[in-house]
Amino acid sequence: NAGVMQNPRHLVRRRGQEARLRCSPMKGHSHVYWYRQLPEEGLKFMVYLQKENIIDESGMPKERFSAEFPKEGPSILRIQQVVRGDSAAYFCASSLTEANEQFFGPGTRLTVL
Amino acid sequence: DAKTTQPTSMDCAEGRAANLPCNHSTISGNEYVYWYRQIHSQGPQYIIHGLKNNETNEMASLIITEDRKSSTLILPHATLRDTAVYYCIVRVIIGTYKYIFGTGTRLKVLA
Repeated sequence: NAGVMQNPRHLVRRRGQEARLRCSPMKGHSHVYWYRQLPEEGLKFMVYLQKENIIDESGMPKERFSAEFPKEGPSILRIQQVVRGDSAAYFCASSLTEANEQFFGPGTRLTVL
Repeated sequence: DAKTTQPTSMDCAEGRAANLPCNHSTISGNEYVYWYRQIHSQGPQYIIHGLKNNETNEMASLIITEDRKSSTLILPHATLRDTAVYYCIVRVIIGTYKYIFGTGTRLKVLA
């Protein structure tokens, strides 16, 4: 009974490169959420997706960030032209329905050099 | 901004009950109270949630006051592995069911 899976667990990028973070939800879950956590802070909501649809992206920066959840395969959070301020832990969560509790993955720690 | 207020930190002796308070004085009638914890830098772990009745599961108990303006998470017999940051979250329904995390309570269980 696998939980939410995220990979890679650690990602190092140089300024200007692209970062791709992947999230596989729990089996049977079609609702995916992405959160970002800066050091010593709480998690901040970024985006909520269902299969092939972005439902709420109110927490996403307007530029350089995008997310998708295709019909087949994991959800992807993509950060283009990374800057040092993008260094953070990125957590994915999934839920059975939008009203059910969310279960979180182990996170991807992005470091931008 | 988070709709909850929690103490920044608390200590608890191993084997004793840990009582973590949360204030949510502006909660609406259809909003639930959720508790999660984050151990070290792992992903948050779901603990329990409730609307207005007290709830208990294998991990903890949740006591919600009658006016719903505050709640308490109780870990009945704290162990060293319960050392974590505990987040109280009011589930804000603004179009979608996203969580808004505050800064949480850093619980340290002492041997």
